[in-house]
Amino acid sequence: EIVLTQSPGTLSLSPGERATLSCRASQSVSSSYLAWYQQKPGQAPRLLIYGASSRATGIPDRFSGSGSGTDFTLTISRLEPEDFAVYYCQQYGETFGQGTKVEIK
Amino acid sequence: QVQLVQSGAEVKKPGASVKVSCKASGYTFTSYGISWVRQAPGQGLEWMGWISAYNGNTNYAQKLQGRVTMTTDTSTSTAYMELRSLRSDDTAVYYCARVVSLGWFDPWGQGTLVTVSS
Repeated sequence: EIVLTQSPGTLSLSPGERATLSCRASQSVSSSYLAWYQQKPGQAPRLLIYGASSRATGIPDRFSGSGSGTDFTLTISRLEPEDFAVYYCQQYGETFGQGTKVEIK
Repeated sequence: QVQLVQSGAEVKKPGASVKVSCKASGYTFTSYGISWVRQAPGQGLEWMGWISAYNGNTNYAQKLQGRVTMTTDTSTSTAYMELRSLRSDDTAVYYCARVVSLGWFDPWGQGTLVTVSS
């Protein structure tokens, strides 16, 4: 079973700053199967990135995904107030990482 | 627009069963699978399993094998998740999600809170 480990657990940043979130797999995964989700308090998760680097419909271009093999990254180029949330990576429609909380510093 | 609407909150006693529904609209139901994910209070996301709305094939998370059953009703475009022998650690928000292409989930239902308490 592949385990996804996200880091850091919490990222404290200010609006306008750049956020870099990591997702590391315990063994190599196809980038085609790697997705990222955003979850705000009291809401269902929302698809942000699929296939490691493709933005879902309606997702602003300040969100970008990259990586391959065992190391994947979600980058938010300039944080907007609405971006403070928890972010999860997922592989192959099953395993989720434990999440990274992006909080206001 | 594509939408998944789930049934309302449930309170159950330990040992009971719960059945959560997920009604789809805005797309051809049988063209996609449905996955179920749960989230315990303050915790992360846990994948529970998947069902093909085309032929009813299922794939359940190993830890829930024997306690969970996922079904669909194509006449009403509705998916169901039944969890039996409920325990207190089954208390969670349960989500359904449409499975797209290579396995990503889009969109998600609004979630159903299931509380297990004596």
